[in-house]
Amino acid sequence: EVQLVESGGGWVQRGGSLRLSCAASGLTFSSYSMNWVRQPPGKGLEWISYISSSGRTTYYADSVKGRFTMSRDNAKSSLYLQMNSLRAEDTAVYFCARGFGEIDQWGQGTLVSVSS
Amino acid sequence: EIVMTQSPATLSVSPGERATLSCRASQSVSSNLAWYQQKPGQAPRLLIYDTSARATGVPARFSGSGSGTDFTVIISSLQSEDFAVYYCQQYSNWPRTFGQGTKVEIK
Repeated sequence: EVQLVESGGGWVQRGGSLRLSCAASGLTFSSYSMNWVRQPPGKGLEWISYISSSGRTTYYADSVKGRFTMSRDNAKSSLYLQMNSLRAEDTAVYFCARGFGEIDQWGQGTLVSVSS
Repeated sequence: EIVMTQSPATLSVSPGERATLSCRASQSVSSNLAWYQQKPGQAPRLLIYDTSARATGVPARFSGSGSGTDFTVIISSLQSEDFAVYYCQQYSNWPRTFGQGTKVEIK
């Protein structure tokens, strides 16, 4: 069974930094592209970043470009999201998610709250 | 950026009835369109990909259609477990974008 387990969420002050992690199991992690998708409380889904299976290619939403950095360690079957210069509007549940086009596996999410 | 617009925002349907959800893209996405179901407190679940292909384990009462800019998912006979929020997503271009969601509620 594929499992994606996010960690690292919590409270942070505006302007602060946080690093999210996603531990993958039940799949050959190095074969899959991955994403981070977020959802503000009570609102819809927002795709924010993508990384290729090798880690050589990344894409970001304009809302996080220059502030967030996505990376992976295939040897550890782990995905990361380094979030800097956090804003109140970054408050959301952050999901780790597998896929290049459609997203076929999702973690349960980790909540990031940025105090203003 | 491709903007995805879903309608209606809320759909009130009785169990056993048919529900039709729509999604429109601001420019063509070919058939690169997926649908997700999300229940409160849960992660989204992939229902449909490539416009009309059902994901593993998705019941046959869910069907997707469309191409280019206009897409539809039909739930032929709503079951209690189908009341949820549904999102469309395009993966034709970067950035990937989602619609704002349609909430299917019990009438």
